[in-house]
Amino acid sequence: AQSVTQLGSHVSVSEGALVLLRCNYSSSVPPYLFWYVQYPNQGLQLLLKYTTGATLVKGINGFEAEFKKSETSFHLTKPSAHMSDAAEYFCAVSDTGGGNKLTFGTGTQLKVEL
Amino acid sequence: EAQVTQNPRYLITVTGKKLTVTCSQNMNHEYMSWYRQDPGLGLRQIYYSMNVEVTDKGDVPEGYKVSRKEKRNFPLILESPSPNQTSLYFCASSGQVDLGAEQFFGPGTRLTVL
Repeated sequence: AQSVTQLGSHVSVSEGALVLLRCNYSSSVPPYLFWYVQYPNQGLQLLLKYTTGATLVKGINGFEAEFKKSETSFHLTKPSAHMSDAAEYFCAVSDTGGGNKLTFGTGTQLKVEL
Repeated sequence: EAQVTQNPRYLITVTGKKLTVTCSQNMNHEYMSWYRQDPGLGLRQIYYSMNVEVTDKGDVPEGYKVSRKEKRNFPLILESPSPNQTSLYFCASSGQVDLGAEQFFGPGTRLTVL
């Protein structure tokens, strides 16, 4: 079964600083990988996804992620953090189990400070 | 507006009192699923449905039931809720039943079982 590890349950950055949220996956087949964001009291919103093709994926709100097969990683980055980026971020992998199941990491809470 | 809706958004109940959380999508999606979110555990799939009258268990189905009588609706039923089912519940839908398809999430239902 697939699994996802997110290093750091809480990450704090200054406004304008680089955001780096780490995600490593375990998959027995070529993975489909996702990053979702959850703002307070809201559902999850897709930031970006990797299926096939270009390994550098650009998403919404200036975020991007790079699929590195050799490192089994899919880290999320943003060059300059904004206060509005404060949220919880989830990395997920499509599971080969029944249906279209997503296996999620445990999430990383991003705090942006002035 | 394309969306997934859930009702109620908040619910406090007592052990053993049957309850239903409704989920509806207006995107004509075939695939729907339920997840629960718990601190430090991320989201875990409870049940999913590939189409009308087709449902199957996810990773944590114990204590839950579902039905899919119409394409747009996928209610989650707790016949005899217990305190360990206190959680944040999300319904999701997808227009494609394949591994790379985006899932759209509802706003969540926060359930407390006393």
